[in-house]
Amino acid sequence: QKEVEQNSGPLSVPEGAIASLNCTYSDRVSQSFFWYRQYSGKSPELIMSIYSNGDKEDGRFTAQLNKASQYVSLLIRDSQPSDSATYLCAVTGRRALTFGSGTRLQVQP
Amino acid sequence: DTGVSQNPRHKITKRGQNVTFRCDPISEHNRLYWYRQTLGQGPEFLTYFQNEAQLEKSRLLSDRFSAERPKGSFSTLEIQRTEQGDSAMYLCASIEQEEGDNGYTFGSGTRLTVV
Repeated sequence: QKEVEQNSGPLSVPEGAIASLNCTYSDRVSQSFFWYRQYSGKSPELIMSIYSNGDKEDGRFTAQLNKASQYVSLLIRDSQPSDSATYLCAVTGRRALTFGSGTRLQVQP
Repeated sequence: DTGVSQNPRHKITKRGQNVTFRCDPISEHNRLYWYRQTLGQGPEFLTYFQNEAQLEKSRLLSDRFSAERPKGSFSTLEIQRTEQGDSAMYLCASIEQEEGDNGYTFGSGTRLTVV
């Protein structure tokens, strides 16, 4: 079992819709959770962090965390074609952040 | 402060050659991380430094790989006798330890192609 699992996608949504990206993790001691956005050929860019159970909203982005279920999600409201990218989930590990393989999101105009 | 800087941006090398990459972290950051990312995968941890001390190395880091951070400032990652399987994006990130579990800021990466 991978430490951080994500559906590779692609997840295709129409412009203006809500995109829902999911991530599960295996290490119960993980305390901090992050979402990165990565455009093709570029390095990952941090877009959201969440540390406690519940929802955290930042503009069009909402991160959701459920530590009991070891589940993190990212919602993108009013999706735009510029949101088309790979979204990486990352969790704190024993020494460094551990990343999932990412979910590719395609927003159709 | 221009963020984390990595050089070169791209490197093409022949199999068997040695290559060296450089990372300049954000100036006040005492922790520096190296990751490797291959196509379709997330970044994989290689090693990290706290100041000049290399605290941990991944099993991914074979003995052909060596990293240094002299004086706790910039860091270099050297790959000796490169193999085609070393082709990847090499990412550097830094963080101020006292920031705790804040997410990392990555540099632009060095894309290595071994031919």
